[in-house]
Amino acid sequence: GAGVSQSPSNKVTEKGKDVELRCDPISGHTALYWYRQSLGQGLEFLIYFQGNSAPDKSGLPSDRFSAERTGGSVSTLTIQRTQQEDSAVYLCASSLAIRRGGTNSPLHFGNGTRLTVT
Amino acid sequence: QQPVQSPQAVILREGEDAVINCSSSKALYSVHWYRQKHGEAPVFLMILLKGGEQKGHEKISASFNEKKQQSSLYLTASQLSYSGTYFCGTLLGSNTGKLIFGQGTTLQVKP
Repeated sequence: GAGVSQSPSNKVTEKGKDVELRCDPISGHTALYWYRQSLGQGLEFLIYFQGNSAPDKSGLPSDRFSAERTGGSVSTLTIQRTQQEDSAVYLCASSLAIRRGGTNSPLHFGNGTRLTVT
Repeated sequence: QQPVQSPQAVILREGEDAVINCSSSKALYSVHWYRQKHGEAPVFLMILLKGGEQKGHEKISASFNEKKQQSSLYLTASQLSYSGTYFCGTLLGSNTGKLIFGQGTTLQVKP
């Protein structure tokens, strides 16, 4: 079946503009994650959703970042007043469930959105 | 909170073995391993749960030592296709889905 879909694949924006990144998870996956990967760096946790709720938003870098998920499916990550340091690849992943005792379902990653702030 | 991976980078010849370690300062509930090739998305390798089990995937296996709060990934008889960056991900609690990844270990396999 279809994998995790992210759009746009590339986004170039001017400093100070707002951007919206979209993630379409695998059908039936209740857990959804957002990560940020700067050039040559690791995977920085931003936020995760279990259904439509986000139990932990502590990874969001600042109040310019927000995310929502509706209908237990599509999620959007919004960055307001973009800054040059926001330039990175934003990766979305989904998995079947988050169960008591640990996430024992693998994460399936999308190909990411490459954001460039000029 | 971020797990620490070692080594940061390793270069191998085809057929050689490698071990990548992942250590946490907090109790581990499960450990995920992923491989990312340049320009691609991370791909799942395996998950290890509490209980010290060892799992295998092709010639890649891993162990999970709860007492040491550590997991190790073993790559035996490495192939060119094993090249990439390996990430371990750990959960910080038993009822959370917050999966935090280490900084990654870059593996290069040469002919």
